[in-house]
Parts: sequence; C-alpha cells; structure tokens
Amino acid sequence: DSGVTQTPKHLITATGQRVTLRCSPRSGDLSVYWYQQSLDQGLQFLIHYYNGEERAKGNILERFSAQQFPDLHSELNLSSLELGDSALYFCASSVGQGMDIQYFGAGTRLSVL
Amino acid sequence: EDKVVQSPLSLVVHEGDTVTLNCSYEVTNFRSLLWYKQEKKAPTFLFMLTSSGIEKKSGRLSSILDKKELFSILNITATQTGDSAIYLCTLSNFGNEKLTFGTGTRLTIIP
Repeated sequence: DSGVTQTPKHLITATGQRVTLRCSPRSGDLSVYWYQQSLDQGLQFLIHYYNGEERAKGNILERFSAQQFPDLHSELNLSSLELGDSALYFCASSVGQGMDIQYFGAGTRLSVL
Repeated sequence: EDKVVQSPLSLVVHEGDTVTLNCSYEVTNFRSLLWYKQEKKAPTFLFMLTSSGIEKKSGRLSSILDKKELFSILNITATQTGDSAIYLCTLSNFGNEKLTFGTGTRLTIIP
C-alpha cells in the first residue's frame, strides 16, 4: 500500500457528463500529480500541484481541471466527457516539488459509454 | 521535447532466465532517471539514478545509468513469475516539474 488513496476505484458514465476524481496524498507529502493511462499507452502527465499551487501542466485538455485543497487532497474534474477519455487515471504524491520519488495510488478506472 | 524510449516493447522468457531492459533518453537539464514496476494497477518505485556508472541494486534487480550515452538498463536475474509486469522508465529534469514516462517494457515470465 503506497499510502495514496484514490476514489472512486471505478466510474462508469455517459458521454457529455462531468465527473470528479479524488486523491488523498501520503501523509506529509505536499505534491500531487495526475496522470492518464489509456489502453496500451504509457503514463501521460496531466498536472502537478504543490501545497495548493499549480506547478506544471502537461497534456491536459481544456475540459479537464484540477485543484489541491488546504488539506492537500486533490480533485481532478473531467467535463463534457468523450469516449476517448476512457482510461485509468492515477494520482501520485511526493514530499517536495523537485520531482523526487512519486508514490502512486491504485487509480480510478473511468469508462465513458 | 524530452523523450524516453524503452526496448524491447515486450519480452517473454522462462523462469530462471536473466533479462536486460533498456531505456534511452533525450532531455535537457537532466535531473534523475527512475524505474517503476507496474503490475495490475499502480506503478511502484524501483530505483532512482542520478549519477553515471553507479549501480543500484535490490535483490535480483539492478540498474545503472550512462549519462554520456544517455541510457539506462534494468537487469533482473533468476527471474520469477512474480517479475511479470510492465517496467516503466521515467526521467525528470531541472526547471520542468514533470516526469516523462516511456511506454514501458511488458515482461512475461513463463513457469
């Protein structure tokens, strides 16, 4: 168990809908990262938050947004969902902001029908 | 743009064999290279490499980095079925706070 908690584990929804994925980092970790992993594709970095502030953006669509709250948990919001958004979404956390070792949650599997 | 290329994409060996997984990269302002193992779900950390020529070892797994030739290898000796997984190579650089992942090597160990 990495200590990173993601909910829900599975999410099934329809095109056009909006969903929120939640992540609680390991105790003491200030950084949260979000990744998308589609079938047969590598991990794609989406966004990084450190202590409540956005630090880096990757290949994140405009329909997606995220935030990190004062208690350091983070939410990833996905709106106007398309079939192609079906994927495994991982959250990871690390102590600092310097891209040190990241610990991954078990992921949320999103299925858009 | 930073780039990580892993080879082979897929590898099937028999239990007890030794395997070598490769990772080559292009990056500006290299900071570190990390190896992760992904079984059914979340990637789990294996090694972080920052200096050339220093082997990191954990049990049957070892890894080394060559910053001149821009590659790293991950060796697994006396493979076991529990080593079956996708092995991900990733790198980070200074000034760009994100990890760049390779697509991984899918390793299958046949009993």
